[in-house]
Amino acid sequence: EVQLVESGGAVVQPGGSLRLSCAASGFTFRSYEMNWVRQAPGKGLEWVSYIGPSEATVYYADSVKGRFTVSRDSAKNAQYLQMNSLRAEDTAIYYCTRGGYCRGGNCEATLFEFWGQGTRVTVSS
Amino acid sequence: DIQMTQSPSSLSASVGDRVTITCRARQYISIYLAWYQQKPGKLPKLLMYAASTLQSGVPSRFSGSGSGTDFTLTISSLQPEDVATYYCQRYNSAPFAFGGGTKVEIK
Repeated sequence: EVQLVESGGAVVQPGGSLRLSCAASGFTFRSYEMNWVRQAPGKGLEWVSYIGPSEATVYYADSVKGRFTVSRDSAKNAQYLQMNSLRAEDTAIYYCTRGGYCRGGNCEATLFEFWGQGTRVTVSS
Repeated sequence: DIQMTQSPSSLSASVGDRVTITCRARQYISIYLAWYQQKPGKLPKLLMYAASTLQSGVPSRFSGSGSGTDFTLTISSLQPEDVATYYCQRYNSAPFAFGGGTKVEIK
């Protein structure tokens, strides 16, 4: 059974930093793309970041580019989101999602079939 | 810079009605379009991908169409359990943007 468990959410002041973690199990982590998606209170879904299986390929939404850094540790079956220079508009539930299966340098479609329960980040003074 | 635009943002329809939601991509995305359903207080659920392919277990009253930049999600006969917010998402390449969502309610 695929499981994604996020942690690290907290209340932080504007300008502060936070590191989110996502522990994955039930699948071959090193073979899958991983993403972060967030949802502000009462708002829609916003894709935040992508990381490929080898960590060589990463992408970010424009709203977080230069402030957030995604990484992964295949030995620990985990992905991380380092969030710096946090703003009030970063307040949201952050979800870890599994992307496509990759093999031989090619990846299947980046569809979000599996989601964690989310971790809440509140940026407020 | 809005990549995906959905309409309407909300709708109210009666049980048994046919409901259509549209999604427009700012750039050509072929058929790399997915739909997600998020019921109140729940996680998003992948409903459909490749514009018209139903995920396993999704009722056949859901259907999708479109290619290029214009897409639709149709519920042929709205049921009470379909009350949810529906999101489209492009996945041909980053940014893997979602549409703003369409909230579907029962009249």
